[in-house]
Amino acid sequence: AQSVTQLDSHVSVSEGTPVLLRCNYSSSYSPSLFWYVQHPNKGLQLLLKYTSAATLVKGINGFEAEFKKSETSFHLTKPSAHMSDAAEYFCVVTQSRTNKLIFGTGTLLAVQP
Amino acid sequence: NAGVTQTPKFQVLKTGQSMTLQCAQDMNHNSMYWYRQDPGMGLRLIYYSASEGTTDKGEVPNGYNVSRLNKREFSLRLESAAPSQTSVYFCASSAGTWGDGNTIYFGEGSWLTVV
Repeated sequence: AQSVTQLDSHVSVSEGTPVLLRCNYSSSYSPSLFWYVQHPNKGLQLLLKYTSAATLVKGINGFEAEFKKSETSFHLTKPSAHMSDAAEYFCVVTQSRTNKLIFGTGTLLAVQP
Repeated sequence: NAGVTQTPKFQVLKTGQSMTLQCAQDMNHNSMYWYRQDPGMGLRLIYYSASEGTTDKGEVPNGYNVSRLNKREFSLRLESAAPSQTSVYFCASSAGTWGDGNTIYFGEGSWLTVV
């Protein structure tokens, strides 16, 4: 069965420093993987997605993620954090047999000035 | 440029009352979904509709009903609200099924409190 684990519930960085949000997945099949961002009192916005093409995926707002099959990871990174990046981030994997999305529990990113 | 629109944005209900959350998308998508979001639990699927005329249960369907009124609209009904249904509800849509990596687009959420 598919599952996704976000290894940190809270991450705090200083503005201008790199961001790393960690995600590990479990899947018996070739998964599709997504990162969504949710700003306070807002809906979820797609940052990027992996669907078995290039393993390094570039998304919006300078974010990118690398699919590593050997490590079953899909970590989200950004070279330099901005105050506007403060939000909650969700890693999501598709459950191939049933075609359902499995959400991680989220990582709350705080950006300090 | 509306995308997925859901109403109401905020609602307070008394235990036992009923209400319907409305959702509409203008992207000509086939599939629509209702999720609930609770602290520390991510999003959980309540019901989904893979195409017009079909609906299926998700992870947490108890206490809810849905109607796919047409291709654009997908409503969620609470027949007899309970405090455990206090949550943020998100409607979403996608062009096709999940398995081929279709992007899911979310509405802005409906905050429901049951007292």
